[in-house]
Amino acid sequence: GENVEQHPSTLSVQEGDSAVIKCTYSDSASNYFPWYKQELGKRPQLIIDIRSNVGEKKDQRIAVTLNKTAKHFSLHITETQPEDSAVYFCAASIMANAGKSTFGDGTTLTVKP
Amino acid sequence: DTAVSQTPKYLVTQMGNDKSIKCEQNLGHDTMYWYKQDSKKFLKIMFSYNNKELIINETVPNRFSPKSPDKAHLNLHINSLELGDSAVYFCASSALAETQYFGPGTRLLVL
Repeated sequence: GENVEQHPSTLSVQEGDSAVIKCTYSDSASNYFPWYKQELGKRPQLIIDIRSNVGEKKDQRIAVTLNKTAKHFSLHITETQPEDSAVYFCAASIMANAGKSTFGDGTTLTVKP
Repeated sequence: DTAVSQTPKYLVTQMGNDKSIKCEQNLGHDTMYWYKQDSKKFLKIMFSYNNKELIINETVPNRFSPKSPDKAHLNLHINSLELGDSAVYFCASSALAETQYFGPGTRLLVL
């Protein structure tokens, strides 16, 4: 089955700096890679996703890159703000395989004002 | 309108009791999940259902029994609660294996 590794487990940056979180996956058939943000006491929510036919996707200050050959994808947050502080989860799945998504262990991002 | 709802939001109970958590989604999704999130923040998949059929049943004690009466509902029944069951339980739904929409979570505390 799929295995997803996420690094680092914790990340602390100064406000305004960039943050990068990396994930690797094992199943080359995986074709859908979402990122979820979970604020303290809240539910995980999708912030950005990428499909395997695209190498990069950007939405304002966040971007995701995908390297299918190396089987890794990364979340980039620029100009970080204190409200970016949260736990971030990556995941990987084969879109047609209902019910089978694998999550990384999460990264706790702290943005210091 | 709430997309994925769970009841109750909080559950405080004694060891040995039996309890249930209910989940409903109004997104028309065909797949639903139960996750356990403990103090270490890992999101551990417990079960997933597609069109009421069990897809994933991870290494979970058989004290935990899911039930999907229809595509919009996935309930979780827990027998003989133990201290280690204390956690936040999230329900989620998706279309196939695409974006998951999570419920607000049920915070279970076993005393």
